[in-house]
Amino acid sequence: DIQMTQSPSTLSASVGDRVTITCRASQSINNWLAWYQQNPGKAPKLLIYKASSLESGVPSRFSGSGSGTEFTLTISSLQPDDFATYYCQQYKSYSPYTFGQGTMLEIK
Amino acid sequence: QVQLQQSGPGLVKPSQTLSLTCAISGDSVSSDSATWNWIRQSPSRGLEWLGRTYYRSKWYNDYAVSVKSRITFNPDTSKNQFSLHLNSVTPEDTAVYYCAREVWSVATGWHAFDIWGQGTMVTVSS
Repeated sequence: DIQMTQSPSTLSASVGDRVTITCRASQSINNWLAWYQQNPGKAPKLLIYKASSLESGVPSRFSGSGSGTEFTLTISSLQPDDFATYYCQQYKSYSPYTFGQGTMLEIK
Repeated sequence: QVQLQQSGPGLVKPSQTLSLTCAISGDSVSSDSATWNWIRQSPSRGLEWLGRTYYRSKWYNDYAVSVKSRITFNPDTSKNQFSLHLNSVTPEDTAVYYCAREVWSVATGWHAFDIWGQGTMVTVSS
């Protein structure tokens, strides 16, 4: 299985801050990486696909970068709705598709 | 717009079969540019992909090795839905279960899981 490791596990920040979350894959996944946002009691919501493509309707303050094994999700200016848990997911190999363990973004 | 509506029991006894259904609106279960997936989430396992069903001239199923011996997916074209059956459940199968669509387009390629069901909390307990 391809292991996905996110850091940090928890991130404390304030409204207006710029934050970055990192995701590392245990082997190259080219750019087959997605980022999701999840609020408590809700399903994950797709933010970024193919490492850097913004899903329709997602605010432009979200951006993704990287390829191979190292990826980042950046939120340029945190808004109150952004405090949630974020997950990366590789979809290069369906044997199986795998997710990171999550990064909880909390209000400082 | 595309929506996925899940249904099924929230409580299953150990050793029995967990069955959930995901009804599709706005797309087709037999679309040749989508796959239909089941994913579960628990505090101990995080987000875990269980498998997918899809149609490409015939039906295909891909299952995660962790559940392959116990899991079955059944697409139903007459009702435009797909179902999950997980047998011989134990308390370790307690989780929130989601269905999700993975779609492909010429413009974007594979799109990851762009549409999700609302989730079903399933508890395995006697």
